[in-house]
Amino acid sequence: GAVVSQHPSWVICKSGTSVKIECRSLDFQATTMFWYRQFPKQSLMLMATSNEGSKATYEQGVEKDKFLINHASLTLSTLTVTSAHPEDSSFYICSPEDREFYEQYFGPGTRLTVT
Amino acid sequence: GDSVTQMEGPVTLSEEAFLTINCTYTATGYPSLFWYVQYPGEGLQLLLKATKADDKGSNKGFEATYRKETTSFHLEKGSVQVSDSAVYFCATKTGGFKTIFGAGTRLFVKA
Repeated sequence: GAVVSQHPSWVICKSGTSVKIECRSLDFQATTMFWYRQFPKQSLMLMATSNEGSKATYEQGVEKDKFLINHASLTLSTLTVTSAHPEDSSFYICSPEDREFYEQYFGPGTRLTVT
Repeated sequence: GDSVTQMEGPVTLSEEAFLTINCTYTATGYPSLFWYVQYPGEGLQLLLKATKADDKGSNKGFEATYRKETTSFHLEKGSVQVSDSAVYFCATKTGGFKTIFGAGTRLFVKA
């Protein structure tokens, strides 16, 4: 089956610093990448959608200057949380969509804690 | 816009009990329907899916039937195990675009 990796799986950072999360599709190519965040005991909230080589489209209420998304290749996308604050602490999940079958797969998630 | 409503949890059952988690959806067009499972501390895994009306998705003893007339996709399992304890998400996806998730239902199974 399709394998998606995220790195790091867990990160603690200080308020004001930036954190980069990598998402890789290991055995398929993804034209489209979805980034979600999940608060404790809540559902997934779509943050943004990106297509390879294009700028990301952000959902309403999501600050594009704070959550920088780069989708430079068909197998790698990154989410950078800039100037992180404690309220950015959350579980971030990437979801690449297989370009051939349009199946959406999910990474294992990255737990971000901002102190 | 598209939306998914699923029953609130938590749901607590004894081992070998019958499980039903209700899910209804609103969507334009002809959506595909999914159930995802999230075990403690892990990411989402696709449990089963159905792509058209009357299709039945099944996996690991779980089943769900795509009912267009009632816009439902209820999840069932005849005999739950402790290892089924997790959060279950119903989801819809239309036209190859973004997936919309329900709020999730937490299931606890007691030995």
